[in-house]
Amino acid sequence: NAGVTQTPKFQVLKTGQSMTLQCAQDMNHEYMSWYRQDPGMGLRLIHYSVGAGITDQGEVPNGYNVSRSTTEDFPLRLLSAAPSQTSVYFCASSPLADPWNEQFFGPGTRLTVL
Amino acid sequence: DQQVKQNSPSLSVQEGRISILNCDYTNSMFDYFLWYKKYPAEGPTFLISISSIKDKNEDGRFTVFLNKSAKHLSLHIVPSQPGDSAVYFCAAHAGGGTSYGKLTFGQGTILTVHP
Repeated sequence: NAGVTQTPKFQVLKTGQSMTLQCAQDMNHEYMSWYRQDPGMGLRLIHYSVGAGITDQGEVPNGYNVSRSTTEDFPLRLLSAAPSQTSVYFCASSPLADPWNEQFFGPGTRLTVL
Repeated sequence: DQQVKQNSPSLSVQEGRISILNCDYTNSMFDYFLWYKKYPAEGPTFLISISSIKDKNEDGRFTVFLNKSAKHLSLHIVPSQPGDSAVYFCAAHAGGGTSYGKLTFGQGTILTVHP
């Protein structure tokens, strides 16, 4: 049981490049979400999903796209990277019954945009 | 507009003493509060939570207190251990509707427990 996994661990991009951050969970959780962590800001919700085929925006969705084709996977796409997207990104999952309760977080992806 | 605030960026405590981490919120719709702990290069891990219908929840060395009238919660760690050194995030959930499942986090407090 691997829990929530994220790849890559580190990534450096140039402004304007695109990339996909991968997230997978093996706990059969319906609810999945993406957060970014910036100094002095805590974690902020980017996008979330309550099940396969259903996604919605969080607090800071601009510049990011998501899709949810399976229960296990929830990739985050940066269409045209900007320096303001330099951050640490965390994926999380939880059962749909009480997604406000314990959310399980992945180890994070540290992204630098030059 | 920061709806959940942790006004102390850092806290230093001696091993064996009590650590008290504080959190204030502004949204009266928050109905569930959580504390997460984060070590460097790892994701946050759930520590303890409390529903708005309670004023206290205890789990071993960790106790969370909620004062709804003051919109304030605190996490007490007794006794503190060096392994408790980490960043602690307070988080809140506003129940129902479009807020379902969304957590709002505070900025975090770095706790250092000295041997």
